[in-house]
Amino acid sequence: QVQLQESGPGLVKPSETLSLTCTVSGGSISSYYWSWIRQPPGKGLEWIGYFYNSGSTNYNPSLKSRVSISVDTTKNQFSLKVSSVIAADTAVYYCARSLSPVAGYDYWGQGTLVTVSS
Amino acid sequence: EIVMTQSPATLSVSPGERATLSCRASQSVRSNVAWYQQKPGQAPRLLIYGASTRATGIPARFSGSGSGTEFTLTISSLQSEDFAVYYCQQYNNWYTFGQGTKLEIK
Repeated sequence: QVQLQESGPGLVKPSETLSLTCTVSGGSISSYYWSWIRQPPGKGLEWIGYFYNSGSTNYNPSLKSRVSISVDTTKNQFSLKVSSVIAADTAVYYCARSLSPVAGYDYWGQGTLVTVSS
Repeated sequence: EIVMTQSPATLSVSPGERATLSCRASQSVRSNVAWYQQKPGQAPRLLIYGASTRATGIPARFSGSGSGTEFTLTISSLQSEDFAVYYCQQYNNWYTFGQGTKLEIK
């Protein structure tokens, strides 16, 4: 059974960089597509980006200038960085898996709330 | 960006009855649509992919249909555990989600 677990600071100051890590167990991140998705409180879901093939990435065009995803295959982890954060970046951040770039997300982490506030 | 519009925003249905949720895409997404169920404090759960294929372990009372720009999720006989928020998602051109339909007990 594949399990995903997000970790990272729950509070980030405006203009700083948000950093989160997703640790995957029960399966290798060297296969399939691994995404970050976020959900502002009380709102809908927004895809942030994904990596595949142990390092290739694609990002939401609306966030591309501020987002990066990196991979550590030795730890079976992948990470998200969002730079120059503002209050609108406050959200629950999820990591999730899809079997291909044209497939739904079949495994999700439980999510972690990140609040942007001074 | 492809916009996914869900209707209604809130649907009130009695247990045991049928629920029909709609999702419209701003342009054709072929059959590249998934449906998710989300309960408070939980991550979304994949119900349907490819517009009509149930994900592993999803009960047969959940069914999806549609192609192109119009999609439907039907829950044939509502159980207490089905009251939640439902999202559609397209993965034909990048990835976008609808704003959700809240299914509540009537």
